Amino acid sequence: EPEVTQTPSHQVTQMGQEVILRCVPISNHLYFYWYRQILGQKVEFLVSFYNNEISEKSEIFDDQFSVERPDGSNFTLKIRSTKLEDSAMYFCASSNPGTGSYEQYFGPGTRLTVT
Amino acid sequence: AQTVTQSQPEMSVQEAETVTLSCTYDTSENNYYLFWYKQPPSRQMILVIRQEAYKQQNATENRFSVNFQKAAKSFSLKISDSQLGDTAMYFCAFMKHAGANNLFFGTGTRLTVIP
Repeated sequence: EPEVTQTPSHQVTQMGQEVILRCVPISNHLYFYWYRQILGQKVEFLVSFYNNEISEKSEIFDDQFSVERPDGSNFTLKIRSTKLEDSAMYFCASSNPGTGSYEQYFGPGTRLTVT
Repeated sequence: AQTVTQSQPEMSVQEAETVTLSCTYDTSENNYYLFWYKQPPSRQMILVIRQEAYKQQNATENRFSVNFQKAAKSFSLKISDSQLGDTAMYFCAFMKHAGANNLFFGTGTRLTVIP
């Protein structure tokens, strides 16, 4: 069964450094998402992406964040200058509503630790 | 704005018994989707079941079923014949019915199945 993959599984970085989190969505999916989950809290929406542009973003997704689909398979989240409060689990998800199914399929997540 | 409320932070159930997890939501939308996601200790987000708001029939997936009460804006999850592998965080989530829309998650219920 196709699945969303994410790399790395765990990233440790120093405050102020740039990080890039990578995702490979399911191949026939057209909509891509990033969510984050601070430890012990609920999952929060960051951004959605369709047709090579951002569809929607939350107030969390400020100028420090950017997303890109650099090729036909990868979908990346960049945090320009990490802060301690960016420490969280970051989930990528994808969907293809055109098939009649609105489920979003999640990757296993990247645990980001900012020290 | 959409909000999702899970009023039970923790629950436990004996193996083989039945348990019901509660979820309520607030929206002005008429068409939407509701989901239950399971997050085991690995922190992977796994879709358990979904419900389209326009369908009156409650969704079922093997041991999992929902009680969807649209007028009351309630969407509870029933797990029958609980198994040790059901131990996890369970998140209720809401999505507007159209295009690339983000999921709004509740704060989760931690379910422990006791042998």
